[in-house]
Formats: sequence, structure tokens, C-alpha cells
Amino acid sequence: EAGVAQSPRYKIIEKRQSVAFWCNPISGHATLYWYQQILGQGPKLLIQFQNNGVVDDSQLPKDRFSAERLKGVDSTLKIQPAKLEDSAVYLCASSLERLAGGRQYFGPGTRLTVL
Amino acid sequence: SQQGEEDPQALSIQEGENATMNCSYKTSINNLQWYRQNSGRGLVHLILIRSNEREKHSGRLRVTLDTSKKSSSLLITASRAADTASYFCATVPGDYKLSFGAGTTVTVRA
Repeated sequence: EAGVAQSPRYKIIEKRQSVAFWCNPISGHATLYWYQQILGQGPKLLIQFQNNGVVDDSQLPKDRFSAERLKGVDSTLKIQPAKLEDSAVYLCASSLERLAGGRQYFGPGTRLTVL
Repeated sequence: SQQGEEDPQALSIQEGENATMNCSYKTSINNLQWYRQNSGRGLVHLILIRSNEREKHSGRLRVTLDTSKKSSSLLITASRAADTASYFCATVPGDYKLSFGAGTTVTVRA
């Protein structure tokens, strides 16, 4: 079974620039998550989608971060404008269970460096 | 906020030895999960233990859960170099959102 795909794997940008990350979840997984993992910390949930709809975006800094999930499959996460503190690994995950807190499948992540 | 807290932060062991790490949490949970993260890669799910379970095994992994003490432990037996990674516990409370701790970094020396 193909895993969760993410691109790019690495991105270096200057502060105040914009950046976008892409995620393709495992086929058939209705739930998709974006996490931010700062060095030395565990992943922190930014946003959760159920099919096309947003289930939870309470920890998404909406003044600069946005995310969408087109047709309930692929998703993009955008940062505009980026700040130094946005340097982190951005992980996408998907799961079969609906709001059930079950196992999540993670992609390899995108490592963002903001200079 | 991160509910689970792993202990120790780092662990170095010889190949073949056992490794034990603990996770403590504050509020009641629906289940608790352990994940592994190799350097520069995504997280891999290891095991899920539900609040009504006390112990689960998967290969060389053994997980215990003590809900009265709000703690869990992960034991890796007969460690191998490939077990070198960071291990995270993720608590799942009633809202079903995973909350990760900061992780335990395990180094297995040859």
C-alpha cells in the first residue's frame, strides 16, 4: 500500500516570503491532519480535515497559515508571510477512523527553514 | 499543549539490552499510542493501548498502561541498532485528538 506522500521534502525561504506544502494521503483515508514539529518537540496539530471539511483548526495561526483539501483527497498548507519561528518540520498524516482517535499514518514531512 | 511527557529525555544502551521509557499524562484518556521517528523521517505507529487494557505486546515491544497513575511504559527487548530513534507517546482524550509528548531519544550502541 502506498504511504502518505508529501512534497517538497526540504524548503529554505527568507522571512516574509510565502511557501506551500502538498500532501497526498493514503487512498480511502477520509481524515487528514497537518502537524508542526519544532526541533526537540513532539508534533502539534495545526488542522484536521474530514473529507473536504475542517474539523479542527483551533491551533492554526490563521493570520498567516491557510490550508485546503480539494475534493477530499490532496491537501495544501500555505504560510504567508513566513516568520523565523515557522522553521519546523511539517507533517501530514491520514487515518481511516472518523473522529475516533485511532492510528494515524504519517508522511515523511517537509523540513522548512526560514532565514 | 502537550499532555504526555516522556521520561527519560534520552537513553543510550548497548545492542541486545532492553530499553524502557515512560509516559505520564494529566487527564483521562480514551487510548494511548506510541510512535517511532527515525532521524529526518515521519512517525511510524507502533502500538495502541485502550484505556481498559493494561498490557499489549507487539513483537519485541511491550506496552503497559496504568490509568490510576496516569502513566504508560514502552519496553523494547533485545535492542538492535535499527531501534535508534525518537519514541513519542500520544494521548487521546475524549475529544479524540492526539497530543504528543516531546519524546525519548534512544541510541543503541553496537
